[in-house]
Amino acid sequence: EVQLVESGGGLVQPGESLRLSCAASGFTFSNYWMSWVRQAPGKGLEWVGNIKEDGGEKYYVDSVKGRFTISRDNAKNSLYMQMNSLRAEDTAVYFCASSDLSDTSAPIGWGQGTLVTVSS
Amino acid sequence: QAVLTQPSSLSASPGASASLTCTLRSGINVGPYRIYWYQQKPGSPPQYLLRYKSDSDKQQGSGVPSRFSGSKDASANAGILLISGLQSEDEADYYCLIWHSSAWVFGGGTKLTVL
Repeated sequence: EVQLVESGGGLVQPGESLRLSCAASGFTFSNYWMSWVRQAPGKGLEWVGNIKEDGGEKYYVDSVKGRFTISRDNAKNSLYMQMNSLRAEDTAVYFCASSDLSDTSAPIGWGQGTLVTVSS
Repeated sequence: QAVLTQPSSLSASPGASASLTCTLRSGINVGPYRIYWYQQKPGSPPQYLLRYKSDSDKQQGSGVPSRFSGSKDASANAGILLISGLQSEDEADYYCLIWHSSAWVFGGGTKLTVL
C-alpha cells in the first residue's frame, strides 16, 4: 500500500524559505514520477511541479518557477521541495503524490498534506 | 479563459445518475487527451478515480466502483465523469486533470450534492 507522509510545513513570513519533505513507503519509489500539489484554504487543487524517476526531468507551474525546486533521494525514498521567496499566495496545504501507474506522471497516490502559511 | 472548466456545483438525488463535465478551452481539442478524475471529501486528500481517453484507453483506479465511469463528448469538447446509482457517500468535490503544455492542469472542481 502506498504511504506518503509530508512534513516541514509551518508559519513563515513573506520572503522566507521552507523545505518540505515527503517520506514514501509501500512501493518502489525509484520507479515513479512524483508530484507536489497544493490547495489554498477553501480553494481547488493546483499542481505545483513534478520530478522524473531518476530526477532527470522536472516541470513546474509558472507561478513557482525560479522560486521552488523539487528534488528526490531514491536511496532514502524521499521527495523534497525547497520553497524560496515565499509569498502570501503560496499559503496552502501541500500534498505529495506518486504516479502509481507506469505509463503516466499523473498524481495517483496521495499523502495527507502539510500546511504552509505565509504571513507577517 | 481557464484551460479546464467545470461547473461549480451539481445536485442529484440518491439512486440517480450524475454527469460531471470538464470542458477544454476553445482551441484545445479533447480528442488526444487522457482526462483524469479525482474525488475529494472535506478534510481528506484527493482520491484518484479513473482516467479516460477512449474506450480502448481507459483505466479504473484501484478499488473504485464500476458505477464511476468516464467518457467524452466531442461535440462539447468535454470529458465526462458519470456516476450512476448515486449514494450519499458520493457527496464530494470532483476535479479533472490533463497534461497540457508541459504541465498538469486541474479544473476548478465541481461540488456534488446528493439530496
